[in-house]
Amino acid sequence: SQELEQSPQSLIVQEGKNLTINCTSSKTLYGLYWYKQKYGEGLIFLMMLQKGGEEKSHEKITAKLDEKKQQSSLHITASQPSHAGIYLCGSQNNAGNMLTFGGGTRLMVKP
Amino acid sequence: NAGVTQTPKFRILKIGQSMTLQCAQDMNHNYMYWYRQDPGMGLKLIYYSVGAGITDKGEVPNGYNVSRSTTEDFPLRLELAAPSQTSVYFCASSRPRDNQPQHFGDGTRLSIL
Repeated sequence: SQELEQSPQSLIVQEGKNLTINCTSSKTLYGLYWYKQKYGEGLIFLMMLQKGGEEKSHEKITAKLDEKKQQSSLHITASQPSHAGIYLCGSQNNAGNMLTFGGGTRLMVKP
Repeated sequence: NAGVTQTPKFRILKIGQSMTLQCAQDMNHNYMYWYRQDPGMGLKLIYYSVGAGITDKGEVPNGYNVSRSTTEDFPLRLELAAPSQTSVYFCASSRPRDNQPQHFGDGTRLSIL
């Protein structure tokens, strides 16, 4: 089965700093999803990447997909306390009916 | 918009008890999913359904059962609760494959004591 490894597992940054979260797959990526989970709540969809080299942005969050490396990165520019939470990457299987999730990256932003 | 609604939000069960976690979506999504999230971990797929009357096992189905009699509802049943089933359970739904994201409920926190 596919495995997704996220790094780092946790991260504490000062407000205003940039940060990057990585998601590496053990198998071919057919579709890579990024979600954010606020502590104690459900998952909120951020963005989805499908093609190698694809890059998407939403406000101050940018995600990229490196198909050859089977890896995606999520970059937050000028972090704010509202960015705090758990970021999860999920990979879609070839049939498109299942997601496999990474272990998550816990982000804290210190004011 | 309601989206995906899960009930209850919290529950404490004794070992051996049974219960049903409810999940309903009002987006007319064909696909529905049940995940569990253990502390400090990612989500593990328990069961999923691609439409009414069709269910399939995910990664960790043992100890659970599901049914899908309507498009809207996808209940998860625990027959004999065990401490290992203490977790947060999330239900999600999506449109059929065309790379549509899954929409998640707020979760049910279940403790088995």
